[in-house]
Amino acid sequence: QATLKESGPTLVKPTQTLTLTCTFSGLSLTTAGAGVGWIRQSPGEALEWLAIIYWDDDKRYTPSLKTRLGITSDTSKNEVVLRMTNMDPVDTATYYCAHIMITYGGVARADYFDIWGQGTMVTVSS
Amino acid sequence: QSALTQPRSVSGSPGQSVTLSCTGTSSDVGAYDRVSWYQQHPGKTPKVMIYGVTKRPSGVPDRFSGSKSGNTASLTISGLQADDEADYYCCSYAGDYSFVFGTGTKVTVL
Repeated sequence: QATLKESGPTLVKPTQTLTLTCTFSGLSLTTAGAGVGWIRQSPGEALEWLAIIYWDDDKRYTPSLKTRLGITSDTSKNEVVLRMTNMDPVDTATYYCAHIMITYGGVARADYFDIWGQGTMVTVSS
Repeated sequence: QSALTQPRSVSGSPGQSVTLSCTGTSSDVGAYDRVSWYQQHPGKTPKVMIYGVTKRPSGVPDRFSGSKSGNTASLTISGLQADDEADYYCCSYAGDYSFVFGTGTKVTVL
């Protein structure tokens, strides 16, 4: 059974950098078409896609936060790390990581986030 | 890349059908048949109900169906049940290996 789990600080101060780790098992980020993305949800608000990293180390970011985000992977540790700089109270949210198999090179895949972590709540406050 | 637009709330009585809309642009919803829908109960992780506009993952009741016309995708819940009361989010592939979620719809079972 494939699982993902987020870990990181529950509280960060404004202007600090947030580092979150997604540790997964039962799935591979080396499989062609595989990706792990980060999605966040502020309290009472909608889901917001943040970033994604693919099996070939290709990375994509939501345009509005692109300058503040960095995503990396360590396939030997089955980990994906998200960094977000210059944190602000508006970044207070539950952060989820999720797995996806994406269509590429004419090979049709499911193209949806099929396995989600439980989420980790991050509060930004001084 | 703006969030897809969904109605804030939709309600229906048990047994009725409700349809949720998800409006994007010709760069996301209108360009690709890669729209998925997620159900989220309070305090829970999102669960996919529809993918590829019309496909249902195994285990999802056939009361849930999806469609698309132009830049708007829709999710229809037939035979509304109490457990269907939740928030629903659409998500679309937005090109260049990126994604965008919708603003979310709260479904209330009266």
